[in-house]
Amino acid sequence: DAGVTQSPTHLIKTRGQQVTLRCSPKSGHDTVSWYQQALGQGPQFIFQYYEEEERQRGNFPDRFSGHQFPNYSSELNVNALLLGDSALYLCASSFIGQGNYGYTFGSGTRLTVV
Amino acid sequence: AQSVTQLDSHVSVSEGTPVLLRCNYSSSYSPSLFWYVQHPNKGLQLLLKYTSAATLVKGINGFEAEFKKSETSFHLTKPSAHMSDAAEYFCVVTGGRIQGAQKLVFGQGTRLTINP
Repeated sequence: DAGVTQSPTHLIKTRGQQVTLRCSPKSGHDTVSWYQQALGQGPQFIFQYYEEEERQRGNFPDRFSGHQFPNYSSELNVNALLLGDSALYLCASSFIGQGNYGYTFGSGTRLTVV
Repeated sequence: AQSVTQLDSHVSVSEGTPVLLRCNYSSSYSPSLFWYVQHPNKGLQLLLKYTSAATLVKGINGFEAEFKKSETSFHLTKPSAHMSDAAEYFCVVTGGRIQGAQKLVFGQGTRLTINP
């Protein structure tokens, strides 16, 4: 049973560039959430997608945007990259009917902005 | 609003001795509480979860946690530490009016070191 798959695993971008991160949810899951984990910190909630719409959003600027596709996979886009965007980006999938009981995390994408 | 405070940023124990990782939470709603573990360069793995059933929750790898509403605490324990337990541990709270999966609010993490 495939879990949550994230790509790429690592990437390096230059300040001011744009980046797209991808997430395939666990089989049977229909909701995707994105988290940013800065070095030495706990993950911070960015946003959540369900039925191809943004359902909840954390305290992140509009430079952070996302998308969910009909097959439930998701993308996280970050525009005008800042050095402070360097972090591990985690994707978590869940099934809306399970409420808070069934989150599965991917291994993350390590983004370095130079 | 929900928040979590992990009272220790770093805990060091000897192999075979008990582990205690402390967590206090704040929530305006009946909370769901979780403990996650993160090994280096790995994703987050769920250890256990409290969802308003039994207050003593048993998880994987011998870990357990007790929900104490009066103390707003959800401390994680293990009777005997193993070298493989060395990792970062996160206490997590969620809960709110939105139905279905809600955002997770993480603590800052506790790094657990096991001494041989």
